[in-house]
This record gives sequence, structure tokens and C-alpha cells, in this order.
Amino acid sequence: VQLVDSGGALVQPGGSLTLSCTASGFSFSDSAMGWVRQAPGRGLEWISSIGGAGIKTYYADSVKGRFSISRDNTRNTLHLHLGSLSVEDTAIYYCVKYGPGYTGMFDFWGQGTLVTVSS
Amino acid sequence: SYELTQPHSVSVSLGQTAKIACGGHRVVDRYVSWYQQRPGQSPMVVIFQDTKRPSGIPERISGSNSGNTATLTISGTQAVDEADYYCHVWDNSSAVFGGGTKLTVL
Repeated sequence: VQLVDSGGALVQPGGSLTLSCTASGFSFSDSAMGWVRQAPGRGLEWISSIGGAGIKTYYADSVKGRFSISRDNTRNTLHLHLGSLSVEDTAIYYCVKYGPGYTGMFDFWGQGTLVTVSS
Repeated sequence: SYELTQPHSVSVSLGQTAKIACGGHRVVDRYVSWYQQRPGQSPMVVIFQDTKRPSGIPERISGSNSGNTATLTISGTQAVDEADYYCHVWDNSSAVFGGGTKLTVL
């Protein structure tokens, strides 16, 4: 299993950005996926998740209405569109794979991609 | 919303046993996962469903869950165990993480 995160950049406040995660080594369309972020020197914060078919999506209150998660099962890619960015969104963003069945864990993590929001 | 509380830091002498607590209201009713994050690396799961170890995780790492506290125990602590540890549960369809505990091996 491999998850490769990309798309992080320096963005001005109010700007937008799209992150991507390219997956391999497992049946992508059978796995729910998500994003977890970590601000500099801080803990982990769950941001968003999406079901395997891409129909059901979930968001943390901190990003609801600003961020949008999507997936392309034909290309084994996961996306996160970040909008109306503020300095508080500065963080490393990790793509995560849900564990099988009802294990309840994130069993694989990407290497992370850094988003810096600054003027 | 549901909250998990962890101590900011725990220190343990080399070879001794470290215990990291994760507190939450009736956390026993939820499955707890634990993640280890070494400096500069991505987190990795070390315990899921309270007590289970993924393949490759040594037996000296174990978990328990009772009442309002889940506990990660590391026996015979080694230098490689020095890391940040996070507990995790589900609150409906939202993932909740504890604030993290920095384990220092003396």
C-alpha cells in the first residue's frame, strides 16, 4: 500500500488550493478515505472523509462549507479542495486510508503535503 | 462533540514500562486506536479495536480500555519508542483524536 500526497503550496489568505493523493497497492474503490491535518507543533485534526463510491462525504465543523473532498476511482486518486483559506489552515495535510471492515483505524497514511497560508 | 484527553508528556527510563492514558466519557463504549508519530514522520497505527496490534507491531506494545480511560502500555521501553502518541475514536462519522502525548525515554 502506498499513498502519495501532493499539491501543497504557499497560498495567500482567502485563496484556494487542491490537494491530491495517489493510491496504489489496494482496491481503492473499496476503501473509504480521508484527510487529517497537523498544524506546526500541534496535534492531529481529522478534516474530511469520503466513502468508497464517493457518494457519502463528511467534514469537520472547522472546514465545513470551505473544503470539498472528492475521489476518482478510475485514477485511484483522492482530492481535497481547500477554499477561503486562513492562516489557521496552515498545516501538513495527510491522506489516510480506512482500515478494513469495522476496525475503526486509519491503517495507512501518506507522507503529507504542506499548506502554508500567509501574505 | 466528543473529547479525548491525554497527558502532554510522559517520561520513562530505558527498559521500564510506560503507560499513556486517554480519557473520555465512557470511552469503554467506543473502539480506541493508537498512533505513533516519530519526529519528522507520518503517524502509524500501533493499536486498533482497543487491544489489537497490526502486523509488525511488537508484543511489548499493548492497549486496554475500561470505564473512562483507555491506556497504551509499552513494556521494556526502547529508544525507538520515543515519539508522540495519539488516541483516536469515532463520534458518529467524525474521527476524534486526543491532543497527543510526547513520550520521552530517559
